[in-house]
Parts: sequence; C-alpha cells; structure tokens
Amino acid sequence: DVKVTQSSRYLVKRTGEKVFLECVQDMDHENMFWYRQDPGLGLRLIYFSYDVKMKEKGDIPEGYSVSREKKERFSLILESASTNQTSMYLCASSPGQGAGNQPQHFGDGTRLSIL
Amino acid sequence: AQSVTQPDIHITVSEGASLELRCNYSYGATPYLFWYVQSPGQGLQLLLKYFSGDTLVQGIKGFEAEFKRSQSSFNLRKPSVHWSDAAEYFCAVGAKGYQKVTFGTGTKLQVIP
Repeated sequence: DVKVTQSSRYLVKRTGEKVFLECVQDMDHENMFWYRQDPGLGLRLIYFSYDVKMKEKGDIPEGYSVSREKKERFSLILESASTNQTSMYLCASSPGQGAGNQPQHFGDGTRLSIL
Repeated sequence: AQSVTQPDIHITVSEGASLELRCNYSYGATPYLFWYVQSPGQGLQLLLKYFSGDTLVQGIKGFEAEFKRSQSSFNLRKPSVHWSDAAEYFCAVGAKGYQKVTFGTGTKLQVIP
C-alpha cells in the first residue's frame, strides 16, 4: 500500500514564525500536493509538484511556498505564519503524467495552530 | 474550469437505512470522478472512481456510485448504512491531461442507532 507520511499530526507555532510541514511518500509517485482543509470549504489546493524541483501554484498559494528536492519529499513552507493560516493541512501523492485522472493517496494531516 | 457541488452539508441516517449522497459536477469534456471518505482525525481514502465504461461503479466498503452524464451527477449510494460509515465524504472531479483535481466541500454523515 502507498504510504504518505506527514511529519507532525499537531503543531503549534507563533505569529511571524517560519513553519515547515514535511511530507514523504514511499511509492515513487511523480505528483505531490498540499491542500488546506477548513470547515465548509472542503479541500483547497495550495501547491502541487509533478516532478523534482518543479512546482505549480494551486488555488490559494499566497503566504506559502514549497520545496521538492527529492522525488519522495514535498515540503510546505509558511514564510511568516499568520493566524489565518490556522488549519488542517493535507499532503497527497499520485502516480503518472497528468494528475487530473489519477486517484490521490493522502497522509493523515497536520493540524496547525498559529497563536 | 471544472467545479463540484455537494449540496448537502450534513446528513443523518439511521443504521440499516439506505444512503444517497449527491454530487454534481461541471466540466466540458469527459470527467474523471472520484469519491473519498475521511474518518475523524484521518486523511482521505479513495472509495471509488469513474473513468469510462459502465456508469455504475462499485467501490470499497459496499459503496457504489452512478455516473449520469445528462444530469452531470455522480451520486454515492449504499443500501444499508453501518455506524462505522459515519464520516465526511468528498466528491472530486479531474480530467486527463489536467494537473489538478477539484474537490467538493464535503458531506458529513451522521449515523444514529
């Protein structure tokens, strides 16, 4: 089975801090994604990557950046955390070219609180 | 642009009753459709997917969904709900050659004894 591992289940940080969320997948998938999940808003795509060192903005990239130096690892960075970034963050991966037609495999999420 | 609507935010059913969760999509070409389930405190798990062919697809945990092109719908059904089915359900749409999958806002299912 595909395993997508997010480094933290719960994280508490302070306003203005630089925050790193890490995600690792073990199935050699080409595509990796970062979403945030908020009640009533569903999943919103922040960034995705279809290859090492490649990244594309999703629907809500403001205030975030990403890094993909190795195929199995995709990091989400909050450059200067703000309280409106308190949320559940989900990482996912999928195989192949063209992520729109592939099921995604999700990690268990990181619940991030910014104080 | 593709979009997904799940009109029901919250649904309550009795254990043993049948279930239907609604999903409507908007996309010009042939869509790729997915249903995911999220149990409390966990990530999303794929229940089933539709790419082409038979419009009635079977998934895990006894779920099925029917693709109706004329209604732009992909509703999820289960004949008899179990208490363990209480979770949040997400419909999603994608397309071949397209990099993103768009998710609906989810339907939270409560199961009462």
